[in-house]
Amino acid sequence: KAGVTQTPRYLIKTRGQQVTLSCSPISGHRSVSWYQQTPGQGLQFLFEYFSETQRNKGNFPGRFSGRQFSNSRSEMNVSTLELGDSALYLCASSSGGGYGQETQYFGPGTRLLVL
Amino acid sequence: GENVEQHPSTLSVQEGDSAVIKCTYSDSASNYFPWYKQELGKRPQLIIDIRSNVGEKKDQRIAVTLNKTAKHFSLHITETQPEDSAVYFCAASTRTALIFGKGTTLSVSS
Repeated sequence: KAGVTQTPRYLIKTRGQQVTLSCSPISGHRSVSWYQQTPGQGLQFLFEYFSETQRNKGNFPGRFSGRQFSNSRSEMNVSTLELGDSALYLCASSSGGGYGQETQYFGPGTRLLVL
Repeated sequence: GENVEQHPSTLSVQEGDSAVIKCTYSDSASNYFPWYKQELGKRPQLIIDIRSNVGEKKDQRIAVTLNKTAKHFSLHITETQPEDSAVYFCAASTRTALIFGKGTTLSVSS
């Protein structure tokens, strides 16, 4: 099976702009989770979607949002970008039936730089 | 909410030595504990996981132990090799998410 893919791989934006990142899960996987990775902070959970519904959300401001489509592809959006949003954004997919208790497979990430 | 503490943040060993990374979690309902390895510039990859009905699990040079009473779990790597150099993340499950530790940078020198 093809792995998790993310587009774009790199993005440069300026403060105040908005950005949309895309994640295509492994075929058959219905759960997609998003994480923000920054040096020293590890992987911080943003949100998780299953069958087009957000099941869980981390402690991030409302500027961070997401959605999932009927084919399980997911997008996340960050509005009014701040310098501190510069990070590697990773998505991970899993079959979804295990409610967070199953193997998650990560994509390569989108590296966002906010200037 | 769930919190996962991981120690140490950096670990340097000589090739052939053992390495141990420890994690503690706060949610007593957590019952799935995976470990991921992330090499520089690459995506995190699952290397081993353990569930709460098991106290220890081994896979060649890698082992994970779990103490549910104390709410901590550990990764043990024996006979380390230079290719083990990477960042290692532990995680603990909540009802619908995995919460990760902040990572341990392991450096293995030959």
